[in-house]
Amino acid sequence: GAGVSQSPSNKVTEKGKDVELRCDPISGHTALYWYRQSLGQGLEFLIYFQGNSAPDKSGLPSDRFSAERTGGSVSTLTIQRTQQEDSAVYLCASSLRPTGTMEMNTEAFFGQGTRLTVV
Amino acid sequence: GDSVTQMEGPVTLSEEAFLTINCTYTATGYPSLFWYVQYPGEGLQLLLKATKADDKGSNKGFEATYRKETTSFHLEKGSVQVSDSAVYFCALVDTGRRALTFGSGTRLQVQP
Repeated sequence: GAGVSQSPSNKVTEKGKDVELRCDPISGHTALYWYRQSLGQGLEFLIYFQGNSAPDKSGLPSDRFSAERTGGSVSTLTIQRTQQEDSAVYLCASSLRPTGTMEMNTEAFFGQGTRLTVV
Repeated sequence: GDSVTQMEGPVTLSEEAFLTINCTYTATGYPSLFWYVQYPGEGLQLLLKATKADDKGSNKGFEATYRKETTSFHLEKGSVQVSDSAVYFCALVDTGRRALTFGSGTRLQVQP
């Protein structure tokens, strides 16, 4: 596709239920990131995938959060036993090369996000 | 750890006014600095970036200079337009890191 695609765009779930959020990165982008944007706060890093390397999970807030990236492309962020404090916009981004390097093509392109509301 | 602090919004300006959005940072290494913009109903877009001290990033009339001595990366535009109304995020990537660290965002509202 032309850009990073996320689905669903909106999700309302009951407290205690599990949810899955999907991200389709730009074709050929090796780096994929998940961020969370809570109301009135900046974007909070959750997890980073780079090629076939082990993901950087250092931003995941609890063991209820997990993510996988199949075949180096599509990624799914799973939140188990959702809590009200999980309500936020979950953003996915991809880049041809990892941000933070001095190489070219490191710009991160963001999807429009999934707005999760836990009631 | 790394952090980014932005001025709180909303910032409300009249068209053709001068814009400054302050951004300061804390980092342990030699970070690259970014401004991202989120227009209503759209995803985050990179606006400009600077990768080393004294670099100036510019795009669409916006500018920001990497000031290591003051650990700042203030966003400026000489004459704003209604179409510039958006939320602006300052961000950094520190040496050896891969993920962006973002500020809390500043909403800009430009009135005709």
